[in-house]
Amino acid sequence: GQNIDQPTEMTATEGAIVQINCTYQTSGFNGLFWYQQHAGEAPTFLSYNVLDGLEEKGRFSSFLSRSKGYSYLLLKELQMKDSASYLCAATRSDKLIFGTGTRLQVFP
Amino acid sequence: KAGVTQTPRYLIKTRGQQVTLSCSPISGHRSVSWYQQTPGQGLQFLFEYFSETQRNKGNFPGRFSGRQFSNSRSEMNVSTLELGDSALYLCASSPNRGDPSTDTQYFGPGTRLTVL
Repeated sequence: GQNIDQPTEMTATEGAIVQINCTYQTSGFNGLFWYQQHAGEAPTFLSYNVLDGLEEKGRFSSFLSRSKGYSYLLLKELQMKDSASYLCAATRSDKLIFGTGTRLQVFP
Repeated sequence: KAGVTQTPRYLIKTRGQQVTLSCSPISGHRSVSWYQQTPGQGLQFLFEYFSETQRNKGNFPGRFSGRQFSNSRSEMNVSTLELGDSALYLCASSPNRGDPSTDTQYFGPGTRLTVL
């Protein structure tokens, strides 16, 4: 995924917390998006970070460290419906470059 | 507001044929981007159109082309299809408030192309 790295698969239990990491090349970097994609569906926007720090939005939070080229998506109080792929995408030179996605499976 | 729509949803073609996919953005959105999604490569950027002009292009061969109309609707065309072109083709629109790096993209359901 053009130097955007995220784990391929993760598993977690309903009600737990999971952190999905994403690292990217910092050259030309502008901002970092997270998208959720359920199987057979379109990606849907979750969050956008341009400044360092944590952005919280309900059960989902996203963190960015520009100097380290690192972001994570934190999902709390996991529900079965959170089973999906989570795509990290960096804007670079006006293009949105996606990682290959992390497939999260939530078990009861 | 209606979301991004793409037609057709499914398509089966044979090698050597050409195909045209269509995308209607969210009303008021002026930027349309196209992506190819495959299990091994993930989402890969094809090109982006704004005001009927191609503004950005990914690393795909010239067989992949597109255009945008005055009403912001967009089409992409793939000529001389190859087996490796089998993929989900996603279109995304964004409002383009002036800074492409901060514009959230809204995706359509995609067109699943199978090349036999």
